[in-house]
Amino acid sequence: AQKVTQAQTEISVVEKEDVTLDCVYETRDTTYYLFWYKQPPSGELVFLIRRNSFDEQNEISGRYSWNFQKSTSSFNFTITASQVVDSAVYFCALSESPDNHNDMRFGAGTRLTVKP
Amino acid sequence: EAQVTQNPRYLITVTGKKLTVTCSQNMNHEYMSWYRQDPGLGLRQIYYSMNVEVTDKGDVPEGYKVSRKEKRNFPLILESPSPNQTSLYFCASSLLPSGYGYEQFFGPGTRLTVL
Repeated sequence: AQKVTQAQTEISVVEKEDVTLDCVYETRDTTYYLFWYKQPPSGELVFLIRRNSFDEQNEISGRYSWNFQKSTSSFNFTITASQVVDSAVYFCALSESPDNHNDMRFGAGTRLTVKP
Repeated sequence: EAQVTQNPRYLITVTGKKLTVTCSQNMNHEYMSWYRQDPGLGLRQIYYSMNVEVTDKGDVPEGYKVSRKEKRNFPLILESPSPNQTSLYFCASSLLPSGYGYEQFFGPGTRLTVL
């Protein structure tokens, strides 16, 4: 069964601090996709990144970076020099093979608060 | 503008009164689904649809119905709502299921309270 664990329920940092959001997943499939979504206080869900199981390269997008490590089944998300606008709930999600149409399994989310 | 729309955005109702939450997408996506979001549980899939007239249960389908008569619309029906269905509901669509690597586009959410 799929499972995504985001052990950090809430994190609070001061602006300009770096912060890492952890995501650990479980799957028996060799082909799968991992996603991160952001849910700002306004409530919508915003897609941030997708990573397939065969691509372990880390990715950087501005102040955001993602570290995918299959050896530890983790897909962690780091925000560098955090800003107040980064305050949101962040969800990690897993999708297994296309034969499984019961789509994405989400973690419980991590609420990040960035204080000025 | 490419988007997923949901209506209503907020709804307060009473136990047993049938309600429908509409969902529509304008991206010609094959795959649509409904999720509910509850504190500490993240998002859980209720129902999904691979295409017109093709629907199937997700992880938490009890108490819900769906239909897919047109490609763009995927309404969520609560025949007899109960207080444990109080939640934040999201409709989502994607070209194909996320198992193919497609991200889902989410609607703005519907906050439902059942008294």
